[in-house]
Amino acid sequence: KAGVTQTPRYLIKTRGQQVTLSCSPISGHRSVSWYQQTPGQGLQFLFEYFSETQRNKGNFPGRFSGRQFSNSRSEMNVSTLELGDSALYLCASSLGGTQGEPQHFGDGTRLSIL
Amino acid sequence: EDQVTQSPEALRLQEGESSSLNCSYTVSGLRGLFWYRQDPGKGPEFLFTLYSAGEEKEKERLKATLTKKESFLHITAPKPEDSATYLCAVQAQETSGSRLTFGEGTQLTVNP
Repeated sequence: KAGVTQTPRYLIKTRGQQVTLSCSPISGHRSVSWYQQTPGQGLQFLFEYFSETQRNKGNFPGRFSGRQFSNSRSEMNVSTLELGDSALYLCASSLGGTQGEPQHFGDGTRLSIL
Repeated sequence: EDQVTQSPEALRLQEGESSSLNCSYTVSGLRGLFWYRQDPGKGPEFLFTLYSAGEEKEKERLKATLTKKESFLHITAPKPEDSATYLCAVQAQETSGSRLTFGEGTQLTVNP
């Protein structure tokens, strides 16, 4: 069974640009969550999508947005990039229930802002 | 606000030297506590879910336990391939969805 796939693996952008990251969940999983991982802050929750609707949102500015398609694939967009946005962006998928089921992570997209 | 604190930040062991990692948590009703392993350049790999105090789960050299305030990950006779960062996360009952709150992790190095 294929795992969570994130593309691209690496991205280099400059300040002010925007970027779109993609995530394909495990087949049959309907929930997709996004996290930002940095050395100083650890893993922080960005948002979660379930059945094409945002179900939960973390404390990030509106420059961070996402969407989910009917096949459960998800994209995350960051506009007006800042140096502090340099991080590893991780996507995680789960069946989508509310019984404490585990999330399964992809290997992330490493975003570097110059 | 949910909080997770892991200790120690880093741990060096000799091969075969057993030890434990700690995860202290504060959450308004625990739906689940999760342990993950993360290797450099990779995403977190799921290890265990614990749901209630007193529960224990085992996998090879790893054993996770849970109390009402903390969880321990016991590593018995570790091998160099157990070297990784171990992450603990909680999911609250009041969470509408799958949101996890993570600790900063414990970086484990096992020397041969």
